[in-house]
Amino acid sequence: DAGVTQSPTHLIKTRGQQVTLRCSPKSGHDTVSWYQQALGQGPQFIFQYYEEEERQRGNFPDRFSGHQFPNYSSELNVNALLLGDSALYLCASSLEGQGKNEKLFFGSGTQLSVL
Amino acid sequence: QQQVKQSPQSLIVQKGGISIINCAYENTAFDYFPWYQQFPGKGPALLIAIRPDVSEKKEGRFTISFNKSAKQFSLHIMDSQPGDSATYFCAALGGSNYKLTFGKGTLLTVNP
Repeated sequence: DAGVTQSPTHLIKTRGQQVTLRCSPKSGHDTVSWYQQALGQGPQFIFQYYEEEERQRGNFPDRFSGHQFPNYSSELNVNALLLGDSALYLCASSLEGQGKNEKLFFGSGTQLSVL
Repeated sequence: QQQVKQSPQSLIVQKGGISIINCAYENTAFDYFPWYQQFPGKGPALLIAIRPDVSEKKEGRFTISFNKSAKQFSLHIMDSQPGDSATYFCAALGGSNYKLTFGKGTLLTVNP
């Protein structure tokens, strides 16, 4: 049973560029959340997708956008990259029926470096 | 606004000792409190979780103690092992929120 898979594992971009990160949820899961983890910090909630809609959004600018596909996989897009966007981006999946997605399963993340 | 405060930032324990990590929260709407373990290069993994209707939950060597009136909860790792060396995060969820709010993490080092 494959867990949450994310691609790519590492990415280097320059300021102003755009980036797309991808996530496949754990088999059987239907909800995908994205988190940003800066070095030495806890993960910060970006947004959550369920039924191909953004259900809740954290305190992130609209340069951060996402999408969920019919097969439940998801993408995170970041436009006009800033140096401060350098972080580990984590995807987490869960099953809607399990009480407001309490049991999150995280992928290993995409390490984004913005130069 | 940091809604979940975690301490200490780092902790060094000898093998066989007890590791204790503390968290405090502000939002009384929180009703689910998980702890996550993260190894370098990996995503966080759910370790153990508690709801406010119980004061303690134990799973193997890991115990959560919960004090609802003080709005505090803690993780105790008994008989700590070098393999427990990792970063531990407390978190909270509740109200109409779908987002998990994390503490800043505690880097635990267990010396052999």
